[in-house]
Amino acid sequence: LAKTTQPISMDSYEGQEVNITCSHNNIATNDYITWYQQFPSQGPRFIIQGYKTKVTNEVASLFIPADRKSSTLSLPRVSLSDTAVYYCLVGDDSSASKIIFGSGTRLSIRP
Amino acid sequence: NAGVTQTPKFQVLKTGQSMTLQCAQDMNHNSMYWYRQDPGMGLRLIYYSASEGTTDKGEVPNGYNVSRLNKREFSLRLESAAPSQTSVYFCASSVRTASDQPQHFGDGTRLSIL
Repeated sequence: LAKTTQPISMDSYEGQEVNITCSHNNIATNDYITWYQQFPSQGPRFIIQGYKTKVTNEVASLFIPADRKSSTLSLPRVSLSDTAVYYCLVGDDSSASKIIFGSGTRLSIRP
Repeated sequence: NAGVTQTPKFQVLKTGQSMTLQCAQDMNHNSMYWYRQDPGMGLRLIYYSASEGTTDKGEVPNGYNVSRLNKREFSLRLESAAPSQTSVYFCASSVRTASDQPQHFGDGTRLSIL
């Protein structure tokens, strides 16, 4: 079972780069790493996904080391609107029932 | 571009009442999911449907039933509501149940059971 561990909360300021690291020691060979963002009173929203090395899109970057036992979500130049809960998921292709969201990281951005 | 639509958005029930939460997606996805989220917690999977005609239990299935009505619709039923089922319920869909397929979520149904 691919369980993830993330910091419970983080604080930062507008304009800063924020890095949120997720630990997933038991990741399996076929598993992808997916990050979601959730605002209050909304469902989670897909941010980025990767398998190895680095992935970048218009919103964030995802860094995955060679051993894949951790991953880091990087948000460049955050704004107040990036205040949200961020979830790291490691999929398990053997059964969708083993996908676990965890409690996520509550990111607070200050002016 | 509706994506995943959940109805109702809010509901208050009395203990013992029954209710069906509705979910529909317009992305032609094969897989659909029901989660619950308690205050300050992450999402927990209740049931999922890998494809039309199949349903499987997730982490917390007790007290719930589901129906995959067709490819678009996946409903969640509480037969006899209990206060412990007070939560926000999210429906999601994905192309298939593989870890490389992101899930798309609705905005949730806020359910209170008195």
